[in-house]
Amino acid sequence: ILNVEQSPQSLHVQEGDSTNFTCSFPSSNFYALHWYRWETAKSPEALFVMTLNGDEKKKGRISATLNTKEGYSYLYIKGSQPEDSATYLCACPDSNYQLIWGAGTKLIIKP
Amino acid sequence: DSGVTQTPKHLITATGQRVTLRCSPRSGDLSVYWYQQSLDQGLQFLIQYYNGEERAKGNILERFSAQQFPDLHSELNLSSLELGDSALYFCASSVDLAGALSTDTQYFGPGTRLTVL
Repeated sequence: ILNVEQSPQSLHVQEGDSTNFTCSFPSSNFYALHWYRWETAKSPEALFVMTLNGDEKKKGRISATLNTKEGYSYLYIKGSQPEDSATYLCACPDSNYQLIWGAGTKLIIKP
Repeated sequence: DSGVTQTPKHLITATGQRVTLRCSPRSGDLSVYWYQQSLDQGLQFLIQYYNGEERAKGNILERFSAQQFPDLHSELNLSSLELGDSALYFCASSVDLAGALSTDTQYFGPGTRLTVL
């Protein structure tokens, strides 16, 4: 069974600081990695889909890297702002293309 | 706004009752997914429908069932409700193109919050 893990579970960051967190997945039978952002009282929203080893994607102050050989992806947020407070989810498709979700990293930005 | 709609937004009912949650996918999306998010839990995949047919089942209880209609909207039926069924239920949809299944992005609706008293 595919297991997707995220760390840390939660993170408190001072406004203006940069931060990063991790999504780990089995390096064998890798298809893709999805990052989603889930703000409180809203629904999850897609950030990135990554497939190639070494790939880097960027959206404003948020970027993500992918290492399929060692089975991890980092999500970076540069110059954190209060609106970045959210739970960040990663997910990988299994052999039936069903997304297996990590438990998320809850990011809290302190003003 | 993802383009996925869910009704109702909130639902309060009693144990033993039956409820139906409704989802309309984004225009053009053929797949609909149902998820449950209980207190302090992550997203639990329940079931997926593709163009009217059940495609995949996750951790869905036998008391729960779903269907997708010819117009592609979907309903999730929850019966013999228990206190532990109180949760946020999300519907998501995706295009689900053959050959691009692994990179298929899911678009989530606003969710239905179910409270069982």
